[in-house]
Amino acid sequence: DAGVIQSPRHEVTEMGQEVTLRCKPISGHNSLFWYRQTMMRGLELLIYFNNNVPIDDSGMPEDRFSAKMPNASFSTLKIQPSEPRDSAVYFCASSWTGGRGGYTFGSGTRLTVV
Amino acid sequence: DQQVKQNSPSLSVQEGRISILNCDYTNSMFDYFLWYKKYPAEGPTFLISISSIKDKNEDGRFTVFLNKSAKHLSLHIVPSQPGDSAVYFCAASARQGAQKLVFGQGTRLTINP
Repeated sequence: DAGVIQSPRHEVTEMGQEVTLRCKPISGHNSLFWYRQTMMRGLELLIYFNNNVPIDDSGMPEDRFSAKMPNASFSTLKIQPSEPRDSAVYFCASSWTGGRGGYTFGSGTRLTVV
Repeated sequence: DQQVKQNSPSLSVQEGRISILNCDYTNSMFDYFLWYKKYPAEGPTFLISISSIKDKNEDGRFTVFLNKSAKHLSLHIVPSQPGDSAVYFCAASARQGAQKLVFGQGTRLTINP
């Protein structure tokens, strides 16, 4: 298994532009999570899905952020319009609902908004 | 509101010595705790976990201790090796909504030769 795959690895965009981050979870995992890493707050949960259904989006900072999971093998996190304060590393992770075990994280997307 | 806190942003330890990383939590509903390790340009990887029914869990050089009354857990690494240099995240979950992990800010551990 190739693990959780995120793309792109790096994204540099101008303020006001739309940004789309992509994630392919591990086959067979039925939970998917989007996290954002910042120095001040560490890893913050933005949203998570169970069986492609959004369960908790309370961490989504503003209406500028949206996430979708159209099928079990793909999810997107979109920021529109982007702002400099959105600059961070965004991680996608997946897991199997049945256990209390840990997530498998992707390598992250480093987003820089200038 | 940080429900999981790692108050030490960084820690430097000599190779061969013990590394102790600390984590505090505020939510009494948390009953499962995990440590993740993160290298630069990689995602965090699961290291070790502990259930609230235990106060200690050991896996090789890594031991996690849980003090429920103090709402405190710690990760001990003995002996520390240069490859242990990384950022360590503490995480917690509650039985209700068990899939949702709440992470701390992370502690950067540097092992000096």
